[in-house]
Amino acid sequence: SAVISQKPSRDICQRGTSLTIQCQVDSQVTMMFWYRQQPGQSLTLIATANQGSEATYESGFVIDKFPISRPNLTFSTLTVSNMSPEDSSIYLCSVEDPFGVPQQYFGPGTRLTVT
Amino acid sequence: DAKTTQPPSMDCAEGRAANLPCNHSTISGNEYVYWYRQIHSQGPQYIIHGLKNNETNEMASLIITEDRKSSTLILPHATLRDTAVYYCIVRVAQGGSEKLVFGKGTKLTVNP
Repeated sequence: SAVISQKPSRDICQRGTSLTIQCQVDSQVTMMFWYRQQPGQSLTLIATANQGSEATYESGFVIDKFPISRPNLTFSTLTVSNMSPEDSSIYLCSVEDPFGVPQQYFGPGTRLTVT
Repeated sequence: DAKTTQPPSMDCAEGRAANLPCNHSTISGNEYVYWYRQIHSQGPQYIIHGLKNNETNEMASLIITEDRKSSTLILPHATLRDTAVYYCIVRVAQGGSEKLVFGKGTKLTVNP
């Protein structure tokens, strides 16, 4: 299994500011995924992050708004830029099982409120 | 878009079996059926997956119909801690690049 931690666990931010969310995994993984879960909704994939290459964004999400870094095989960051109240969501990172069992492990999420 | 449809909510009495249905009529031959659940304020948790045959692990059983167009997740003895949103997902079970597409899921409430 993989143990994932995220920082911060929650934050309240003012509109127009940016927040960087960190995701740390206890083992080396190739792919990391970032999801958004808006209030009362299901999870939506934002992007897939590969170490050493640009992240791949899903339709409706752009790099200028959600820049992602993946400096090594155990760490990634997601920045929510120029925030508005519509960005209030839970942001989750996940990884594919590093030992080949085809399942994803999820972090506990970062609950963001934009005022 | 999600390739599955699930009832939005279900109730179950504590100690009884919870049977959660899922329709995936457009599933491809190389796609697996996965189940995850999300307990309130936590990240989703993997439960079980299968291709054709029925599967069982320490958490649940998965029954897939012969035509693979639907499946049922069975929690044999539901407890209050099983109250969660359950997501049925189809995906190619290749490690690494296959993203998960979440539908709306079924909110299961286990009642005392």
